[in-house]
Amino acid sequence: DGGITQSPKYLFRKEGQNVTLSCEQNLNHDAMYWYRQDPGQGLRLIYYSQIVNDFQKGDIAEGYSVSREKKESFPLTVTSAQKNPTAFYLCASKRGEAGANVLTFGAGSRLTVL
Amino acid sequence: SQQGEEDPQALSIQEGENATMNCSYKTSINNLQWYRQNSGRGLVHLILIRSNEREKHSGRLRVTLDTSKKSSSLLITASRAADTASYFCATDDGGATNKLIFGTGTLLAVQP
Repeated sequence: DGGITQSPKYLFRKEGQNVTLSCEQNLNHDAMYWYRQDPGQGLRLIYYSQIVNDFQKGDIAEGYSVSREKKESFPLTVTSAQKNPTAFYLCASKRGEAGANVLTFGAGSRLTVL
Repeated sequence: SQQGEEDPQALSIQEGENATMNCSYKTSINNLQWYRQNSGRGLVHLILIRSNEREKHSGRLRVTLDTSKKSSSLLITASRAADTASYFCATDDGGATNKLIFGTGTLLAVQP
């Protein structure tokens, strides 16, 4: 079955450590996105990539980094510069629908800083 | 930036009742979408309505769009306990950035 796989589902980090969240898709989608979700809030865009080897900052990119070396993969690194990293992280990819952006989401990764 | 604001923030109804959620947005759009999120899970796309459409149906879902008021509503008819989830609207301005901007969501609880 085609879809998006995020791992790990739960991750604990000590302050000052970098962590990398994995996102893999087998949907052959060109565009991929990372969102952050805090309790009771909507989704905020961290980074997005429309093609391989290219990515752009979203609204809250500070303290995060990404890479897009392969079409299928868009890992997100939460660096020690991110002051409040505890959140639910969602990866998504875009399927075309006559020009509309309809996103397919992974199941999410919950990061907790101890 | 948050484009959409959902109203109400939370809604509790009995099974069989209808649930209506509203979304307001600020800028011009190409289309508006509704997504559902079960607790602790990713979002699932429900329905898309284009800026030149006023109403759209999909099963028990009915979406309306009023571009003059910059608002949309999602109606779920004959609700079921399994409809319990958070519902988000997302706007697409059709620009080159291919970004969706999500609202803050409505938490729907359907009591059996």
